[in-house]
Amino acid sequence: DGGITQSPKYLFRKEGQNVTLSCEQNLNHDAMYWYRQDPGQGLRLIYYSQIVNDFQKGDIAEGYSVSREKKESFPLTVTSAQKNPTAFYLCASSAGPSSYNEQFFGPGTRLTVL
Amino acid sequence: KNEVEQSPQNLTAQEGEFITINCSYSVGISALHWLQQHPGGGIVSLFMLSSGKKKHGRLIATINIQEKHSSLHITASHPRDSAVYICAVPGGGADGLTFGKGTHLIIQP
Repeated sequence: DGGITQSPKYLFRKEGQNVTLSCEQNLNHDAMYWYRQDPGQGLRLIYYSQIVNDFQKGDIAEGYSVSREKKESFPLTVTSAQKNPTAFYLCASSAGPSSYNEQFFGPGTRLTVL
Repeated sequence: KNEVEQSPQNLTAQEGEFITINCSYSVGISALHWLQQHPGGGIVSLFMLSSGKKKHGRLIATINIQEKHSSLHITASHPRDSAVYICAVPGGGADGLTFGKGTHLIIQP
């Protein structure tokens, strides 16, 4: 079964700790994305990667970091510099740029910082 | 940057009713995405369209590129259609999508 997995589904962390969210895809997609969703707001783009070993900042990259060492994996680290980290985080992938390709979404990770 | 507006924000209807959700955007695009988000948070892609109309089962999506407007219709609505429906367009400049805030649809039996 092809798809995107994110783990864990729920994550709790203390303020000031870094935390890494996992995203893995077996769709053989080149492009991967991280979005953040807050209540009452649309999803917002944090980072994206169009190819292995390359990634670009999205609209709200401050306080986050990513890596893309393997095609199938695009982990997101929420650092202590992120002022409001509590949110729902969604990972997505597509065969190519979003202008021309459908995006496939993972089930999401709900992060709560205490 | 593209701005995406959806209407209505909330919609409650009776089972069997014809549903229309609207989306408008500010900058010309190559394709528009309609997505469905269930209460658990998972998002499913319903349509990606660049012109005209597409149909999957009881769902129909239309787009008017000149007017920068798209609609999502649900015929013979059913309680299982209850979800948040989200319109998204390419962000412009960066890759990735720009999303509307979503339409929260509730279909009552």
